[in-house]
Amino acid sequence: DSGVTQTPKHLITATGQRVTLRCSPRSGDLSVYWYQQSLDQGLQFLIQYYNGEERAKGNILERFSAQQFPDLHSELNLSSLELGDSALYFCASSVASQGNLNEQFFGPGTRLTVL
Amino acid sequence: AQTVTQSQPEMSVQEAETVTLSCTYDTSESNYYLFWYKQPPSRQMILVIRQEAYKQQNATENRFSVNFQKAAKSFSLKISDSQLGDTAMYFCAFMKPDYGGSQGNLIFGKGTKLSVKP
Repeated sequence: DSGVTQTPKHLITATGQRVTLRCSPRSGDLSVYWYQQSLDQGLQFLIQYYNGEERAKGNILERFSAQQFPDLHSELNLSSLELGDSALYFCASSVASQGNLNEQFFGPGTRLTVL
Repeated sequence: AQTVTQSQPEMSVQEAETVTLSCTYDTSESNYYLFWYKQPPSRQMILVIRQEAYKQQNATENRFSVNFQKAAKSFSLKISDSQLGDTAMYFCAFMKPDYGGSQGNLIFGKGTKLSVKP
């Protein structure tokens, strides 16, 4: 158990719908990262938040958005879903102290299926 | 932009033998970090080993070791005394430090599926 929790574990929805994935980082971790794992694209970075603020953006679609709340949990919102959005979505967290290399701990992932 | 390449989509090894997984990367950065992650059938991402680019000594973690060749931009993973539990997808990953108070994101290769056979 990495200490990072993600809900729900599985999500099945229809095209055009909107879903919200939730992530709770390890206690004390300030950074949250979202990654998408699909057969086509492999594992790719979507977005990072650090202490409530957006820190970096990767290959995140405009239909996707995220935020990190004051209690440091994060939500990834996916809207106007398409079949190609079906993937495993990982959240990772890190204490991210400057000057040190800190491991990113991954949650168990949310499996999204768009029908 | 940084890229990570794993040229071996699949590999197999007999139990108790040694196997080496290859990884090359491309970057113009001088300081960075490299990782090997393991993803078993449970899909959980597990850190196997990490290497800081400014350290010349190759990292080792029990049966896992790396051969880090900075000039060649190569970062291979050696698994000694392979066990059935080593069966998994293995991802090589690159991270550029973020000196602004947080740390950078991971850039992953496509992965190598390793099967350990009894």
